[in-house]
Amino acid sequence: DTGVSQDPRHKITKRGQNVTFRCDPISEHNRLYWYRQTLGQGPEFLTYFQNEAQLEKSRLLSDRFSAERPKGSFSTLEIQRTEQGDSAMYLCASSLRTGTNSPLHFGNGTRLTVT
Amino acid sequence: TQLLEQSPQFLSIQEGENLTVYCNSSSVFSSLQWYRQEPGEGPVLLVTVVTGGEVKKLKRLTFQFGDARKDSSLHITAAQPGDTGLYLCAGDRNTGFQKLVFGTGTRLLVSP
Repeated sequence: DTGVSQDPRHKITKRGQNVTFRCDPISEHNRLYWYRQTLGQGPEFLTYFQNEAQLEKSRLLSDRFSAERPKGSFSTLEIQRTEQGDSAMYLCASSLRTGTNSPLHFGNGTRLTVT
Repeated sequence: TQLLEQSPQFLSIQEGENLTVYCNSSSVFSSLQWYRQEPGEGPVLLVTVVTGGEVKKLKRLTFQFGDARKDSSLHITAAQPGDTGLYLCAGDRNTGFQKLVFGTGTRLLVSP
């Protein structure tokens, strides 16, 4: 079990630039989630994939955000025209579809700083 | 807006002391999970409680789900420096997948 892998670990960008993050879930996991965590807060749900289908998107995910999971394996999260308010830790998690309580395995996140 | 409020937000204690962290909501959850998060890492699941009134133990940690499934507590006996971290509760509103609502977190510091 190599765990959930996220890349990069840290990203510093200037306001207005586009950024893309990658998540590689645990290989047999068919469910993949993106959460966002700002300083001093718990994570907030952004979006959910089952295989390659994006089945749920939070209202937090403005039209500047897009997530894909093209082959049902790795996923990318792109933020266009970044704003300072986008600065946060972006966490990816994966799980098996064996029931609603199948545990989430989180990656170590990508910390985004928008200057 | 966080639907789950945790208290206290920060706790600094000496090794060997006992402590309790509370997680409260006005909403009912189908299950509640507790995570621990270290700086620069993702949250790691400690336990899931499902049934109202359920109590689960994990070594020195005792987790309880409220009878009405709206609140939960985490009790640590004889805390150790290795218990230091951010403790997060997270509720599942029975969406059919893990669309969790996380609490505000309790940062615990255990000094030797």
